[in-house]
Amino acid sequence: AQSVTQLDSHVSVSEGTPVLLRCNYSSSYSPSLFWYVQHPNKGLQLLLKYTSAATLVKGINGFEAEFKKSETSFHLTKPSAHMSDAAEYFCVVSVDYKYIFGTGTRLKVLA
Amino acid sequence: GAGVSQSPRYKVAKRGQDVALRCDPISGHVSLFWYQQALGQGPEFLTYFQNEAQLDKSGLPSDRFFAERPEGSVSTLKIQRTQQEDSAVYLCASSTRPSGGLYNEQFFGPGTRLTVL
Repeated sequence: AQSVTQLDSHVSVSEGTPVLLRCNYSSSYSPSLFWYVQHPNKGLQLLLKYTSAATLVKGINGFEAEFKKSETSFHLTKPSAHMSDAAEYFCVVSVDYKYIFGTGTRLKVLA
Repeated sequence: GAGVSQSPRYKVAKRGQDVALRCDPISGHVSLFWYQQALGQGPEFLTYFQNEAQLDKSGLPSDRFFAERPEGSVSTLKIQRTQQEDSAVYLCASSTRPSGGLYNEQFFGPGTRLTVL
């Protein structure tokens, strides 16, 4: 069965320091993987998606994720956090048409 | 451009009342999805439409939940005899491709927050 585990429910970083949000997946097939961000009272917005063209995926707002099949991981990173990055982040594995979400990581950015 | 819209944005219902939640997908999107997001949790799949056909309703938690998309565009999620455990944010999403589309991005609406008293 397909599943996704987000290893941290809360992450706090100082503004200007790197961000690392961890995600591990379980999939019987070659997975489709996504990261979405959810700001308060806003809809889910796609940050990036893994398309198998490259293991390092670049997304919007300076975010990147690296697909590591050997580690079944798809961690999200950003070199320098900004206050506007404070939000809830979801790692998603897609099984055919259905999305399976992780439980989310709430990112707090300290001034 | 217009994204996915949902109405109402907030709904308060007394236990036992029926509610109807509306989703307007992006024009031309074939696939439509409903998800339920409980407080502090990730969204969970409820049901999937391809055009007007409901191809998967395996996530609907009980027979009190019913969804329809009669003309293949707007969709309504109906909950009968609401219970307190139905309190959640209900998210609608649409995508361009039919089922089986690899790397198929879903576009989400802002959600309807349902509170059952």
